[in-house]
Amino acid sequence: SAVISQKPSRDICQRGTSLTIQCQVDSQVTMMFWYRQQPGQSLTLIATANQGSEATYESGFVIDKFPISRPNLTFSTLTVSNMSPEDSSIYLCSVEEGEPGQGAGELFFGEGSRLTVL
Amino acid sequence: QKEVEQNSGPLSVPEGAIASLNCTYSDRGSQSFFWYRQYSGKSPELIMFIYSNGDKEDGRFTAQLNKASQYVSLLIRDSQPSDSATYLCAVMTGTASKLTFGTGTRLQVTL
Repeated sequence: SAVISQKPSRDICQRGTSLTIQCQVDSQVTMMFWYRQQPGQSLTLIATANQGSEATYESGFVIDKFPISRPNLTFSTLTVSNMSPEDSSIYLCSVEEGEPGQGAGELFFGEGSRLTVL
Repeated sequence: QKEVEQNSGPLSVPEGAIASLNCTYSDRGSQSFFWYRQYSGKSPELIMFIYSNGDKEDGRFTAQLNKASQYVSLLIRDSQPSDSATYLCAVMTGTASKLTFGTGTRLQVTL
């Protein structure tokens, strides 16, 4: 499977600041996603990062709060803007292997970025 | 009603026993079903996927799918302490490759 590197792995942030998380994949992938896992909770999809176009956001997530870039097929960033303590979470980059968009793909995850907002 | 439901546990089984993890889903159009294992402080790791009704075996793991009952399960034979983790059920509906996750079942394998 693809090797997915995320950074930072963890950070402590001040309320009102923004932080950008980077996701680097060692091979070209069509589908790349950003998930959030809040403490004690399961994973929630934030958005699909589309190469060369605007990300597709899920209900409850907006571009102003979570701007995403996807300049090529191996790299994406997620920014958490104007952070509040409620944004304390693990943010996970994931990629699909197998046939994209055919419902047969298997998702693999990076190691995650654990953010704590004070 | 949650889209993907799992018993949060903990499910405690003795070493060497069979652990049975269950998951139900609400969307009858769901097509693909995945089991992830997540150790504390780590990211989810894909261990099994199943698309068709019936059983699928991979080593000590068996996934079972019953679309009529909207039920998917994971059996772990000869459970080991290293199997102690949270097991997440995930369901994919449509062709958008988006997964909906359950809240996970925490498995404890005791010596």
